[in-house]
Amino acid sequence: NAGVTQTPKFQVLKTGQSMTLQCAQDMNHEYMSWYRQDPGMGLRLIHYSVGAGITDQGEVPNGYNVSRSTTEDFPLRLLSAAPSQTSVYFCASSYNVLGGTDTQYFGPGTRLTVL
Amino acid sequence: DQQVKQNSPSLSVQEGRISILNCDYTNSMFDYFLWYKKYPAEGPTFLISISSIKDKNEDGRFTVFLNKSAKHLSLHIVPSQPGDSAVYFCAASAEKLIFGQGTELSVKP
Repeated sequence: NAGVTQTPKFQVLKTGQSMTLQCAQDMNHEYMSWYRQDPGMGLRLIHYSVGAGITDQGEVPNGYNVSRSTTEDFPLRLLSAAPSQTSVYFCASSYNVLGGTDTQYFGPGTRLTVL
Repeated sequence: DQQVKQNSPSLSVQEGRISILNCDYTNSMFDYFLWYKKYPAEGPTFLISISSIKDKNEDGRFTVFLNKSAKHLSLHIVPSQPGDSAVYFCAASAEKLIFGQGTELSVKP
């Protein structure tokens, strides 16, 4: 099992450009989510999905879109990048979000810089 | 409005001593609490969790305590080892997982 994979590892964008951060998992997990990590802010939930075809907003959804057409993939789209979106992005998955025994597995992260 | 708070951004402890990391929350609907550990340039990894119906859970050197009346949880690491140096995030679960800001633990030999 590869677990949770994210591409790219690093990305530099100019303000206004668009891009898609890819996330895939091979554990047949229903629940997937995107977080951003910023200094002093911890991990903040952007969007999450409880299964294919179902997505919902987290704490900081503005400027980001997601879709979940398959169980395996959960891409995060930046439609018009802004410097405030400079951050490290983590994708995570779990069988079920409820229950402390069902842990979330995180990908290695994508470091995004918007100039 | 931060529902999960870790008020200490950093903690330094001597090897062999106890490390105590603290976390406060505001939402009484949270039903599970978890601790994650994160090394630089890696994703967070699960460490230990506790259900809201319990007040203590132990796993080797790691123990999590939950005080529901105070809406407070803590992670105890005994004895602390240099390899424990990392950022520790507490998280709380309802229908989604909410994280605190993290505490950077440094264990000095």
